[in-house]
Amino acid sequence: DAGVTQSPTHLIKTRGQQVTLRCSPKSGHDTVSWYQQALGQGPQFIFQYYEEEERQRGNFPDRFSGHQFPNYSSELNVNALLLGDSALYLCASNGGGTSGANVLTFGAGSRLTVL
Amino acid sequence: DQQVKQNSPSLSVQEGRISILNCDYTNSMFDYFLWYKKYPAEGPTFLISISSIKDKNEDGRFTVFLNKSAKHLSLHIVPSQPGDSAVYFCAASYYKLSFGAGTTVTVRA
Repeated sequence: DAGVTQSPTHLIKTRGQQVTLRCSPKSGHDTVSWYQQALGQGPQFIFQYYEEEERQRGNFPDRFSGHQFPNYSSELNVNALLLGDSALYLCASNGGGTSGANVLTFGAGSRLTVL
Repeated sequence: DQQVKQNSPSLSVQEGRISILNCDYTNSMFDYFLWYKKYPAEGPTFLISISSIKDKNEDGRFTVFLNKSAKHLSLHIVPSQPGDSAVYFCAASYYKLSFGAGTTVTVRA
């Protein structure tokens, strides 16, 4: 049973560019969340998608946007990249909707480097 | 605004001894607490959780204690094994999950 899969695993962009990261949730899961993990820090919540809508959002600017598709997969888009956007981007999925008590299953992440 | 804090960035413990990881939080609205474990090049994996209405939850070698009045929780691992060497994240939930910065545990043979 495949868990959460993310692509690409690594990518390098330059300032001002745009990036799209992709995530396929674990089979049976319908809710996807995205996290940013900077070096030496814990994951920071970006947003959560359920039923193809953004349900919750963390303290991130509008340059960060997302989408959830009917098959529950999701994309994270970041526009006008800044050096500070360099981080590991983690996708997590869960079943059972948006309850904070749900246990998340994480992917291995996409490592973004902005030069 | 760091609502969940893990003040010890690292912990070294001998195999077979107890590992104690600590976590403090500031938001009294948190109603669920979790610990995740992360190996290099892998995503965090769920370890154990506790609801705010309880003060202890045990699962095999892992026990989580919650002290709501002190806004403090801890994870005990007994006995520690080499495979426990990893980064441990404390997380707290109120609609969304907030993570601490992590504690790197090294179990010495």
